[in-house]
Amino acid sequence: EPEVTQTPSHQVTQMGQEVILRCVPISNHLYFYWYRQILGQKVEFLVSFYNNEISEKSEIFDDQFSVERPDGSNFTLKIRSTKLEDSAMYFCASSEAPGVGSGSYNEQFFGPGTRLTVL
Amino acid sequence: EDQVTQSPEALRLQEGESSSLNCSYTVSGLRGLFWYRQDPGKGPEFLFTLYSAGEEKEKERLKATLTKKESFLHITAPKPEDSATYLCAGVIDTGRRALTFGSGTRLQVQP
Repeated sequence: EPEVTQTPSHQVTQMGQEVILRCVPISNHLYFYWYRQILGQKVEFLVSFYNNEISEKSEIFDDQFSVERPDGSNFTLKIRSTKLEDSAMYFCASSEAPGVGSGSYNEQFFGPGTRLTVL
Repeated sequence: EDQVTQSPEALRLQEGESSSLNCSYTVSGLRGLFWYRQDPGKGPEFLFTLYSAGEEKEKERLKATLTKKESFLHITAPKPEDSATYLCAGVIDTGRRALTFGSGTRLQVQP
């Protein structure tokens, strides 16, 4: 069964360093997402990406963050200068193109996550 | 104000003891309601999508239902392997795809 994969599973970095989290979405999916979950808190939306551009972003997704689809399979999240409060699980998700007709929101399938620890 | 609220926060059941988890939402224009299962240290695993009031979906011991104000995840005769956190999430805004998650219900099923 196709699945979303993420690397690395755990990343430890020093405050102020740049990190890149990598994801390989399901191959026929066209929408890609990043979410994060701080320990003990809700899963929060960061950004969605479609047709090689950002389609939505949350207030959390400020200038420190960027996303890229560098090739036909990878989708990356870059954090330019990490802060202590960026420590969280980061989940990548993907979904198919929308179905025909209104009200069709295809399921988002999540990867296993990258645990980011900022020291 | 929370737009997706789940209750209870935690639930402990004996094996075979059926129960229901609640997910309520406060926006009038919900575009889709999703249920996920999350095991510790893992990503959310998709279970169900519901779009309109009255809709029901089933998978093994789980059944999800939707009304105009809330959704229920019914667990019938649960087994210890059903222990997990169950998350509901809504697509709140027209034209958007971002999921707004609730805080989850931590379910523990004891043998």
